[in-house]
Amino acid sequence: EDQVTQSPEALRLQEGESSSLNCSYTVSGLRGLFWYRQDPGKGPEFLFTLYSAGEEKEKERLKATLTKKESFLHITAPKPEDSATYLCAVQAGYSGGGADGLTFGKGTHLIIQP
Amino acid sequence: ETGVTQTPRHLVMGMTNKKSLKCEQHLGHNAMYWYKQSAKKPLELMFVYSLEERVENNSVPSRFSPECPNSSHLFLHLHTLQPEDSALYLCASSQDRTNSPLHFGNGTRLTVT
Repeated sequence: EDQVTQSPEALRLQEGESSSLNCSYTVSGLRGLFWYRQDPGKGPEFLFTLYSAGEEKEKERLKATLTKKESFLHITAPKPEDSATYLCAVQAGYSGGGADGLTFGKGTHLIIQP
Repeated sequence: ETGVTQTPRHLVMGMTNKKSLKCEQHLGHNAMYWYKQSAKKPLELMFVYSLEERVENNSVPSRFSPECPNSSHLFLHLHTLQPEDSALYLCASSQDRTNSPLHFGNGTRLTVT
C-alpha cells in the first residue's frame, strides 16, 4: 500500500528564517511526486512535479528536491505570504498512468510570523 | 480567478435533503475528479471521469452520485447524507490521466445537520 508521511504537522517560523518540509513516501514504482500549496478556504494550488531521484525544481523562495525515499520543500527567507498548508502527493507507476493513483499526505501547516 | 469553478461555496443540508454540487472547468482538460477533504485526513479520491468514462472508487457510499454530461462539467448529487459526510468537497481537472498535475477548484464546504 502506498504511503505518504509529511513532517512536521505544523511549523512556525519568523520572517526570513529558512527551513525545510519533509515528505517521506513508500510506493511501488514512483511515477511522479507532486507538491501543492493550500490557503484557508481555497483549493490546493499546484507547485511542482518531480519525476526521478536527484531532480530539483525552484519557484521564487521554494525549492523542491527528491530522493528515492523522500522529498524536501526548502523555503528560503520566507515571507508572511508563504503561510499556507503544503501538501505532498505521489503517483504510483502501477496505477495505469492515471491521476486517480495519487496518494496524498496530511500536509504541513506553515505559519510565517512578521 | 481559478480555471475550475465550484458552486455553491457553502451548503447546509439536512439528512433527508437532496442537493447537487456543480463544477465547471475552463482549461480544456479531459479528466475531472471529485475529492473529499476532512480535517486531519489526507485528500480522499471519490470519482474520476476521463473522456466521459467513469472510474469509481468502490468505497464511496451510494448516497453520492456523480454525473459528467460533458468534458467541462461535473456534478455530485447528494441524498440521505450523514453528519460524518460534512467536509470540503473539491473538484479538480487535469489535461489527461498520465502525470498531469491536478488543478483544483476552491471547494464546497458541506455541513450535514
